[in-house]
Amino acid sequence: DQQVKQNSPSLSVQEGRISILNCDYTNSMFDYFLWYKKYPAEGPTFLISISSIKDKNEDGRFTVFLNKSAKHLSLHIVPSQPGDSAVYFCAANGGSNYKLTFGKGTLLTVNP
Amino acid sequence: GAGVSQTPSNKVTEKGKYVELRCDPISGHTALYWYRQSLGQGPEFLIYFQGTGAADDSGLPNDRFFAVRPEGSVSTLKIQRTERGDSAVYLCASSLAGGPYEQFFGPGTRLTVL
Repeated sequence: DQQVKQNSPSLSVQEGRISILNCDYTNSMFDYFLWYKKYPAEGPTFLISISSIKDKNEDGRFTVFLNKSAKHLSLHIVPSQPGDSAVYFCAANGGSNYKLTFGKGTLLTVNP
Repeated sequence: GAGVSQTPSNKVTEKGKYVELRCDPISGHTALYWYRQSLGQGPEFLIYFQGTGAADDSGLPNDRFFAVRPEGSVSTLKIQRTERGDSAVYLCASSLAGGPYEQFFGPGTRLTVL
């Protein structure tokens, strides 16, 4: 069973507009959430994280929102740039070993 | 400073052979993780080291897989009697400590078993 779900395999947006990537989770023990970006032939690169005690975290163009009651989080990128085109993974952890559980990823394409 | 490095970047082997994959974490990071990523999937947890000891190896698929970190720094993932289903990208990550900190990933080793 997939504990972290990214239901949109792909998303295409115009440069300068907002990109919204969504993620749902089922495990109520998860208390820390992260977004990673991945380019082909490279490892995932950390983007932004949020603890379950918060509902929003912002870093430059990137904002992550957490809705604990809905077990849903989203990543907003404003304004989107062509260099943002990559696969975005949502990940979560909880418990004492801090292993990450990943979604399947969403391929974002930002068109010039 | 230097990031996480992994060698080799690519490994092609024949079914039944033994392979070793190496991970060099960021200096000072005590926590080290191995993940495996198959095509179209997100990375899946294999094993977690805190210092020299394997604190959680619940993600290792079977006893053909083994990992060590003898001095608390470099780690080696070992796969015996490789099977075609072992083909994947093997990712290593490190973090400051075993806590809710971001994990920094290496570029991965692409393993192909023919």
